[in-house]
Amino acid sequence: DQQVKQNSPSLSVQEGRISILNCDYTNSMFDYFLWYKKYPAEGPTFLISISSIKDKNEDGRFTVFLNKSAKHLSLHIVPSQPGDSAVYFCAASPGGSEKLVFGKGTKLTVNP
Amino acid sequence: EAGVVQSPRYKIIEKKQPVAFWCNPISGHNTLYWYLQNLGQGPELLIRYENEEAVDDSQLPKDRFSAERLKGVDSTLKIQPAELGDSAVYLCASSLEGGLAGGYNEQFFGPGTRLTVL
Repeated sequence: DQQVKQNSPSLSVQEGRISILNCDYTNSMFDYFLWYKKYPAEGPTFLISISSIKDKNEDGRFTVFLNKSAKHLSLHIVPSQPGDSAVYFCAASPGGSEKLVFGKGTKLTVNP
Repeated sequence: EAGVVQSPRYKIIEKKQPVAFWCNPISGHNTLYWYLQNLGQGPELLIRYENEEAVDDSQLPKDRFSAERLKGVDSTLKIQPAELGDSAVYLCASSLEGGLAGGYNEQFFGPGTRLTVL
């Protein structure tokens, strides 16, 4: 039973446009959410996070939005750059735990 | 600052053979994680250590998998005997002990060991 779902296996956008990656979760105990980025043959690297007490967190070109009532979060990348091409994993952590539950990932391709 | 180091990067073995993976976490990181990543899937936690203590090994298949972190620094994950279904990437990650107030300890991942069982 997937507790963290990334329903789009892939996404392709043009350079300079917005990329929107989506993530849904089922466990109400999750209170911290993270996005990791992974290039081929490398480990995932932390990108941005958000606590459940917030609905938005922004870091440069990256913004994460959290809709708790819908159990949905999204990552916005504006503007998208070819170097953003990677697999993006959504992850969630239950309250008081250091455990991370990952989604299956979305492969983003940014075309020049 | 050096990141999480894993070796080997790639390993090909025949089924029923033993295999071991090594991980050296970031200096000062007390918490160490081993994850399994199957093709097309996200990482799944196998075991988490706080210093030398395994505090969460509920997802570790203990009939064939074992892990140790004897001095609370580097760690070894072993599979004996390996099966075809064990072919995957094995990721190690580390983080600082104890959460930031109201925050979460970011996990830093190594590059992984890609295991192929023939």
